[in-house]
Amino acid sequence: AQSVSQHNHHVILSEAASLELGCNYSYGGTVNLFWYVQYPGQHLQLLLKYFSGDPLVKGIKGFEAEFIKSKFSFNLRKPSVQWSDTAEYFCAVNLYGGSQGNLIFGKGTKLSVKP
Amino acid sequence: DGGITQSPKYLFRKEGQNVTLSCEQNLNHDAMYWYRQDPGQGLRLIYYSQIVNDFQKGDIAEGYSVSREKKESFPLTVTSAQKNPTAFYLCASSKLQNSNQPQHFGDGTRLSIL
Repeated sequence: AQSVSQHNHHVILSEAASLELGCNYSYGGTVNLFWYVQYPGQHLQLLLKYFSGDPLVKGIKGFEAEFIKSKFSFNLRKPSVQWSDTAEYFCAVNLYGGSQGNLIFGKGTKLSVKP
Repeated sequence: DGGITQSPKYLFRKEGQNVTLSCEQNLNHDAMYWYRQDPGQGLRLIYYSQIVNDFQKGDIAEGYSVSREKKESFPLTVTSAQKNPTAFYLCASSKLQNSNQPQHFGDGTRLSIL
């Protein structure tokens, strides 16, 4: 069965530290990849997505993610985090050309940034 | 501003009672979705609809029902058959054309049992 794994349940960093959140998926075929973010008290929103082209994708607020096909990974990175990045981050995957109803989410990673 | 409106924000259910969660969108999106979010579980799909008067079960549809009589509206009913309904419920919508279209989410409804 298709699945998405996020390695860390809770990450705690100090401001200005670098961030990398892992995401691995098991899917046969070409995939679309998404990172969503849920800030405290706010709705889930898209951070960035990849479906073709340059495997290094840049998103909002200085985030980026790299698609490594051979490793079935789509890790999220940010060189220097801020207190305002405190949120829960979800990786999601579906099949390219498939149904949107087959979007599979990881279990999420809570990021806490200490000021 | 276009968006998705979920109501109510908080809902309490008595034993044996059915409750309905509202979801309305003015984004002119064809597809709509209901997810359940539990701590440490991520988002799990309950139902989705790609077109008016049609919908499909997701991974955890048991104990839930939906309708899609209008493009803008996709209400979710949590029936008494759902034995563990306490959760955060998220509604989403997307354009239908391609699977790479992102989903847009509402603010959620938190359901608790009295």
